[in-house]
Parts: sequence; structure tokens; C-alpha cells
Amino acid sequence: EDQVTQSPEALRLQEGESSSLNCSYTVSGLRGLFWYRQDPGKGPEFLFTLYSAGEEKEKERLKATLTKKESFLHITAPKPEDSATYLCAVRNYGQNFVFGPGTRLSVLP
Amino acid sequence: DAGVTQSPTHLIKTRGQHVTLRCSPISGHKSVSWYQQVLGQGPQFIFQYYEKEERGRGNFPDRFSARQFPNYSSELNVNALLLGDSALYLCASSLGAGTNQPQHFGDGTRLSIL
Repeated sequence: EDQVTQSPEALRLQEGESSSLNCSYTVSGLRGLFWYRQDPGKGPEFLFTLYSAGEEKEKERLKATLTKKESFLHITAPKPEDSATYLCAVRNYGQNFVFGPGTRLSVLP
Repeated sequence: DAGVTQSPTHLIKTRGQHVTLRCSPISGHKSVSWYQQVLGQGPQFIFQYYEKEERGRGNFPDRFSARQFPNYSSELNVNALLLGDSALYLCASSLGAGTNQPQHFGDGTRLSIL
């Protein structure tokens, strides 16, 4: 069965304190790994898609990387506006998305 | 351009009732998927529709059903509501069902069952 786990469950950082979020997955044929950001009361907002091991994507203070079993979302010098829940999802051969439970990030000023 | 729109934004029902949730995809998107998100968890896949046909179904009971219309909008129906159906119901659209394009989400319908 396809499965996605994320760690840590919650993370509190001081403004400017860099860190990484982890997404580990088991999937029957990876057709893409996706990172989303979700603010309270809102739907997930698309950030990145990664397709193959070794691939990296960057956007402002965020950088996503992918290996054969996990992905990392690196946050460099975060700001309070980066506070959100970060969701990881994989797409399998059946074209369905399987989401992890998310990491709740709080960045304190 | 307008994003994915869902209606209503909030809904309160009682056990045993029926509910219909609606979704309009981003213009040009032909695939719509539905997800259930319980507080503190990630979205769980319910259905995917493409060109009015069901392309995928998650592990949900037959009380859940959906359909897609010729204009690519979609409805999610839930019968015989249970307390455990209380959740945020998300709709997501993408260009197609067989591509690696990301899904784009609406802000959901918050369903509360009393």
C-alpha cells in the first residue's frame, strides 16, 4: 500500500533559523512528488513537483530535493509569513495522489 | 484567472441527511478530484473524474458519489451522513488525468454534522 510519512509533526523556529522538513514515501511506481503549503482555513497551495532522484527545485526561501525514498524541504532564513502546514504528496501509477499528514511550521519573530 | 471555486464554504447538517457539494475547476482544466481532510491530517483521496468519467476511487463507502458535468464542474454527494463525515472537503483540478501536472485546490467546504 502506498504510504507517505512526514517529520517532524510540528516545528517551531526563530526567524532566520534554517531547517529541513522530511517526507518519506513508499509508492508503487512514483509518477511525481509534490509539495504543498496550507494556511489555516485554506486549501493547499502548490509549491513544487519533483520527478526523479537527484532533482532539486527552489522558490524564494524554499528548496525541495528528492531521493529514491524521501524528499526534503529546506527552509533558509525563514520569516513569520512562512508559518503554515507543509504537505507532501506522491502520485502513483494509478494517477492518484497520496498525501502525508503534514508538518506544522511556526516561525517566531 | 479564477482559481478552483467551491460552494458552499460552510455547511451544517444532522445525522442521516444528504449533502451536495459543488466545484468549478480552473478554466481549461478537465480533471477534478475530491478529497476529505480531517482536522490535523492530510487530504484523503475520494474520487477523480476526467471528461465526465470516473478515473479513480479511494477507500470510501458507497454513501459517497460524484459526477462531472459537460462544463467540467463537479458535484460530490454524501448520503446518510454520519458524525465522522465532519471534515473539510477539498476539490482540486488539473489539466488532465494522465499528465504529471500538479493539482490546484479550492479552499474547500467545511461540513459539520450534528
